[in-house]
Amino acid sequence: DAKTTQPPSMDCAEGRAANLPCNHSTISGNEYVYWYRQIHSQGPQYIIHGLKNNETNEMASLIITEDRKSSTLILPHATLRDTAVYYCIVRARGFQKLVFGTGTRLLVSP
Amino acid sequence: EAGVAQSPRYKIIEKRQSVAFWCNPISGHATLYWYQQILGQGPKLLIQFQNNGVVDDSQLPKDRFSAERLKGVDSTLKIQPAKLEDSAVYLCASSPRLAEAYEQYFGPGTRLTVT
Repeated sequence: DAKTTQPPSMDCAEGRAANLPCNHSTISGNEYVYWYRQIHSQGPQYIIHGLKNNETNEMASLIITEDRKSSTLILPHATLRDTAVYYCIVRARGFQKLVFGTGTRLLVSP
Repeated sequence: EAGVAQSPRYKIIEKRQSVAFWCNPISGHATLYWYQQILGQGPKLLIQFQNNGVVDDSQLPKDRFSAERLKGVDSTLKIQPAKLEDSAVYLCASSPRLAEAYEQYFGPGTRLTVT
């Protein structure tokens, strides 16, 4: 039941910015955009979330378009440890279920 | 703070056998989740507890899967009898309180292989 579309894979050179797109054209007004990532053999890790304003934390930045139909997760200076599967999820706050799609497999290379 | 603990990390069983997984959430976290992740797919929620009550078990195959969270802390997930298609990683996650649970903290998972 995932409501998002992401490219299956992306490559990025170490030290460069990684820009991961997500399409969520059917997002509702009360739904937030969440990003999680899953490094190999680990459980998913929360990265960031937002409603309509751009957000930034120590891990990444989240840019949400004005119409909220798409967003981009930005890792400003990718490292080899950022190699992971990145999941974009839309979910209403207070409704706890996370519905994961297949995500984007990001490979950061030297 | 200590993270979500799960055991065992790996388990190999034959089909029709039973298996149990254990999860210890982060201290003070009221909400606990069990997910199933099949190779190449994203995690799928099996069951969600708020304290020791079930909030959502709509995707739990109740003919063979069961879960409990006694005393609202630790939880166990059981499969009996196991089928080949149950081979997956079983992830446990927890979050502080239902209303503020935008962030879920995941354990390392238990990798189950059914032969």
